[in-house]
Amino acid sequence: SQQGEEDPQALSIQEGENATMNCSYKTSINNLQWYRQNSGRGLVHLILIRSNEREKHSGRLRVTLDTSKKSSSLLITASRAADTASYFCATDREGGFKTIFGAGTRLFVKA
Amino acid sequence: DVKVTQSSRYLVKRTGEKVFLECVQDMDHENMFWYRQDPGLGLRLIYFSYDVKMKEKGDIPEGYSVSREKKERFSLILESASTNQTSMYLCASSPPGLASNEKLFFGSGTQLSVL
Repeated sequence: SQQGEEDPQALSIQEGENATMNCSYKTSINNLQWYRQNSGRGLVHLILIRSNEREKHSGRLRVTLDTSKKSSSLLITASRAADTASYFCATDREGGFKTIFGAGTRLFVKA
Repeated sequence: DVKVTQSSRYLVKRTGEKVFLECVQDMDHENMFWYRQDPGLGLRLIYFSYDVKMKEKGDIPEGYSVSREKKERFSLILESASTNQTSMYLCASSPPGLASNEKLFFGSGTQLSVL
């Protein structure tokens, strides 16, 4: 079962523009993570935000979390062609050992 | 850096064959996971293991089994491969305790085609 649902499914922007991806989830969480996947490769962890945090930054990444709306957003500022990838949100689930992923947003940054 | 290595990048097998997918991690992580990734469905958890010889079913364990004889190695077994098991298989590991579901380290994936 999917916990996170990303929106949009695909996004195409010009280099230098900002990219915003959204994630909604269904049940209470302890944390929410964002991962990146280059075409045909494994996922790489980008950033984690805990349920008691509202905003977090890492370089050009900004993540927000609204637990009342069960939603998160990932903002990539001043995007580059190298940011072209799929981005997934992931949440924990009761039991501690399970991380559940959404279907992902495919981002294409045109040079 | 943590390294999670999957033995094959691409694999082609025939229906009915027994298939072994191997995964090795070098960071002494207790937790290891097998996911499959299909277009539009994201990643779905097949099995996970939180210790040697321990295993737990994930969301879609049917048709699969796993083996964890050593801490660093987690194998996924397709007992009798079927065409609907054609997919990208991703192995991941994570450290123990509270951090176990805070950051997963993934291998590069195995694209399995069952003909």
